[in-house]
Amino acid sequence: DAGVTQSPTHLIKTRGQQVTLRCSPKSGHDTVSWYQQALGQGPQFIFQYYEEEERQRGNFPDRFSGHQFPNYSSELNVNALLLGDSALYLCASSSTTGSVDTQYFGPGTRLTVL
Amino acid sequence: AQKITQTQPGMFVQEKEAVTLDCTYDTSDQSYGLFWYKQPSSGEMIFLIYQGSYDEQNATEGRYSLNFQKARKSANLVISASQLGDSAMYFCAMSRANFGNEKLTFGTGTRLTIIP
Repeated sequence: DAGVTQSPTHLIKTRGQQVTLRCSPKSGHDTVSWYQQALGQGPQFIFQYYEEEERQRGNFPDRFSGHQFPNYSSELNVNALLLGDSALYLCASSSTTGSVDTQYFGPGTRLTVL
Repeated sequence: AQKITQTQPGMFVQEKEAVTLDCTYDTSDQSYGLFWYKQPSSGEMIFLIYQGSYDEQNATEGRYSLNFQKARKSANLVISASQLGDSAMYFCAMSRANFGNEKLTFGTGTRLTIIP
């Protein structure tokens, strides 16, 4: 049973560039959430996708956008990169069916903006 | 708005001893979930244990137990018989409602180091 996978594992970009991060959810999960974790901090919720729609959004600017595909995989796009966007980006998947379930996280993509 | 507070930035514990990691929370919701995650240096967040706000019994998962005191708004994690592999960052988190697919609000974490 494959867990949550993310690609790439590491990424280096320069200010002003655009980046796309990818996530495949755990088998059987239909909801994908994205979190940003700055160095020394806890993860911060960016947004969540369900049925190919953005279901919830945290306090992040419009430079952060996403997409969910029919197979439930998801992308996170960040435009006009700033130095402050350097962080570990975590994807988590969960299910809307059944009883209480938790979010299972992937290994993350470490983004460095120079 | 929900808020999680973890007041212990770091802890050092002797191997095989029990350890308690503190977590207090603030919310106006009647229904909520409390979670603990472990984050090794590799970066992946590993789910440890869950407690629903309406659960009267404290949650347990193997060596992990959650000491839930609703009136005090605390949800401390207890690890019994600590092992070297327990060295990691530990995050307390909460969600609205008793569903794990609601967005999670995390604390700042506690770095636990197990000493041989």
